[in-house]
Parts: sequence; C-alpha cells; structure tokens
Amino acid sequence: NAGVTQTPKFQVLKTGQSMTLQCAQDMNHNSMYWYRQDPGMGLRLIYYSASEGTTDKGEVPNGYNVSRLNKREFSLRLESAAPSQTSVYFCASREVIGAYNSPLHFGNGTRLTVT
Amino acid sequence: GNSVTQMEGPVTLSEEAFLTINCTYTATGYPSLFWYVQYPGEGLQLLLKATKADDKGSNKGFEATYRKETTSFHLEKGSVQVSDSAVYFCALYNAGNMLTFGGGTRLMVKP
Repeated sequence: NAGVTQTPKFQVLKTGQSMTLQCAQDMNHNSMYWYRQDPGMGLRLIYYSASEGTTDKGEVPNGYNVSRLNKREFSLRLESAAPSQTSVYFCASREVIGAYNSPLHFGNGTRLTVT
Repeated sequence: GNSVTQMEGPVTLSEEAFLTINCTYTATGYPSLFWYVQYPGEGLQLLLKATKADDKGSNKGFEATYRKETTSFHLEKGSVQVSDSAVYFCALYNAGNMLTFGGGTRLMVKP
C-alpha cells in the first residue's frame, strides 16, 4: 500500500525561487494536511483541507499557498522562498467520520533547504 | 488554546531499561490524546491513542494512560530495545479538525 506519497524527497532552492511540493494519498481520505517540522518545535500546521474543495489556514500559513486538486492530491506552493522556510515538510491525511478521531497518516517528508 | 508539553530529550537508555516520557497538555473540554513515533528518515506513525479519561492506550509494549486530573498522558515501556530508538511525539485532538503536537522527544537506546 502506497499510503501518502510526497515528492520530491529533497530540494534546494535559492532565496526568491518558487516551487510546489506534491502530495497524493490513495486511502480515499477526506482530510489532508501540510505540516512543517523544525528542531525543538515539533510539527506545526501550515494549511489543511477538510474535504475536497475546501482549504483553511493552520498555525503558520504565511508564505505558503495550497491547492486541493481533487480528493487524492493536495499541493503546497512556496511563491518566493525564504531561508526561514528551510524545514522538513510533511503531508498527512485522515478519514473523518462524524466525531470519530481517526489518526493521521503521514508521508515520508520533503527536506527543503533555502539558501 | 490547545498546547502540548513534552520533556526535552534526548533520552538515552540502555537496552531493557524502563522508559518514561512525560507529556502534559492544556485544552478545554475532552480532547483525544495520541502518541506518534518517527523513525529516522520516515514520517510519523501512530503508536497509541486514548479518547477519554482513564483510558489506557497500548501498542508494541508501550502504554499511556489518559489522566484528566493531572492533564497528562505519559508514555511508558517496561523494557526498551535498540529498535525503539526514534523520536516520540505527544499530540491532542480537540475539534476544529486540527491536531496539536508537542515538540518531540528523541530516544536513544544503547545495546
């Protein structure tokens, strides 16, 4: 089972460059999420999509945009990369059925360095 | 708002030692609580969860009990193995479709 697939695995950008991180899940989940992971700060939510056609800001949305292309795919775009965006980015998904607190399923991450 | 606080690492133990990783939380209402584990180069995986007070989550020899009176969800294992070396994250879900994570605790187990 593929689960949640992220591409690329590694990326180096120069300040001001743009790029899109891709994420796809094959579990038919409704909700998808983008997190960034920084040393000592755990995971912080950037954006999420509760269902196809909707997106909402998380804790640290500035400098990012997202697109929920369809139920499977949720992309994260950096329009003008900054060194502060150097981080490991994780995509996650989960099924939401009523009030049931289903767990998140994570991809393996994209390590981004902005010089 | 919601927050999760974990003990800072790294925690270094010898094989077969007893493990405790502390986790406390701040939240209104009745959150669900989770422990996730991250092995090197991988994403996070759910380790265990508890959805109401006094529930005990368990998996792979790890346990954690949801203590509402102390707002805690400490992770324990009676005998750690080298293969348990990883980063452990405590997290809570409290409506709003968002999970709040602690800062993570790195565990290193030496043979």
